Amino acid sequence: AQTVTQSQPEMSVQEAETVTLSCTYDTSESNYYLFWYKQPPSRQMILVIRQEAYKQQNATENRFSVNFQKAAKSFSLKISDSQLGDTAMYFCAFMKLVKAAGNKLTFGGGTRVLVKP
Amino acid sequence: EAQVTQNPRYLITVTGKKLTVTCSQNMNHEYMSWYRQDPGLGLRQIYYSMNVEVTDKGDVPEGYKVSRKEKRNFPLILESPSPNQTSLYFCASSLSGGRQYFGPGTRLTVT
Repeated sequence: AQTVTQSQPEMSVQEAETVTLSCTYDTSESNYYLFWYKQPPSRQMILVIRQEAYKQQNATENRFSVNFQKAAKSFSLKISDSQLGDTAMYFCAFMKLVKAAGNKLTFGGGTRVLVKP
Repeated sequence: EAQVTQNPRYLITVTGKKLTVTCSQNMNHEYMSWYRQDPGLGLRQIYYSMNVEVTDKGDVPEGYKVSRKEKRNFPLILESPSPNQTSLYFCASSLSGGRQYFGPGTRLTVT
């Protein structure tokens, strides 16, 4: 079974600064996806970024980028130029690419990020 | 607009009173799932479906039932709710290996 661990329950950052959220996972699979989801106070689950395990290049989406270290099973998220709207809970998630798995996402426990003005 | 809808959004009920949370998607997705979210545990999969009439258990299926009679709908049934099922519930849909689209969530309180 896969496990996802987010070791930082809460983090705070000043507006315009950079914050990095850590995520480690455990799997014996070789083909999988990794995700970061954002959950603002509205509770909506919003996809921030996706990384395919077979791709060595780290994914980026505007101010969001990841550091994917496959051998170390590490998948950190960097938020640059933090904005007040980035205040949210962030979840790291794993999905193995096996049809029978039903597209199951395995989530970490979450990291609450507070952006201070 | 591509979306996943859930109803109701909020529900307060009493122990043992059967309830159904509906989920519907308009994207013709094959895959649908139910998750529950609890503090410190993230989201955990309850049940999933890979197509009409094909459902299977996730990680925490005890106390829940599902059905998939139509491709667009995937209701979650709690036949005898208990207080430990108080949680935030999400429905999600996707194509095989594709991005998952989440519904807005249903906050359930069982007293």
